[in-house]
Amino acid sequence: DAGVTQSPTHLIKTRGQQVTLRCSPKSGHDTVSWYQQALGQGPQFIFQYYEEEERQRGNFPDRFSGHQFPNYSSELNVNALLLGDSALYLCASSIQGFSNEKLFFGSGTQLSVL
Amino acid sequence: AQSVTQLGSHVSVSEGALVLLRCNYSSSVPPYLFWYVQYPNQGLQLLLKYTSAATLVKGINDFEAEFKKSETSFHLTKPSAHMSDAAEYFCAVSDNFGNEKLTFGTGTRLTIIP
Repeated sequence: DAGVTQSPTHLIKTRGQQVTLRCSPKSGHDTVSWYQQALGQGPQFIFQYYEEEERQRGNFPDRFSGHQFPNYSSELNVNALLLGDSALYLCASSIQGFSNEKLFFGSGTQLSVL
Repeated sequence: AQSVTQLGSHVSVSEGALVLLRCNYSSSVPPYLFWYVQYPNQGLQLLLKYTSAATLVKGINDFEAEFKKSETSFHLTKPSAHMSDAAEYFCAVSDNFGNEKLTFGTGTRLTIIP
């Protein structure tokens, strides 16, 4: 079982650019959540996708958007990158209705905005 | 709004000594509380969770935590520290069992002194 896989592991972008991060959930999981972890901080919830729809959203601007595909994999898109978007982006997958019982995190994508 | 506060961003203990990591919560509803561990360059791993079934919760690797409503606390303990316990520890809260939206604390970095 591969667990939650994220790609790429590291990424460097410049201000104003757009970025797409990818996540494949653990086998058997149907729900994907994204978190942003700034340096020295705890993860902050961005949004959650289930059945290809955004179900919950945290306090993030519309520059942050996402998508879930029929195979449950997900993308996180960030437009008009700011220096403050530099962070570790974590994907977590779960089974709808049992989320806290079986929430598995990937190793993350480290995004650096220059 | 729910929140957790972790007292002490850095904690150092000697190998074999008691580990105590502090977490206080604020919640308007009965909380669901979690402790996660993050090793370098890895995602978050669930140590244990409180979901109102029992106030003393046992987790993996001999960690345990006690929910104390009167003190709004959920401190993490381990009787005897191992070198492999060196990591970042996060306390988190959710407003219900099936909610992937976790609110994390700022984390405590645990260092083990040989």
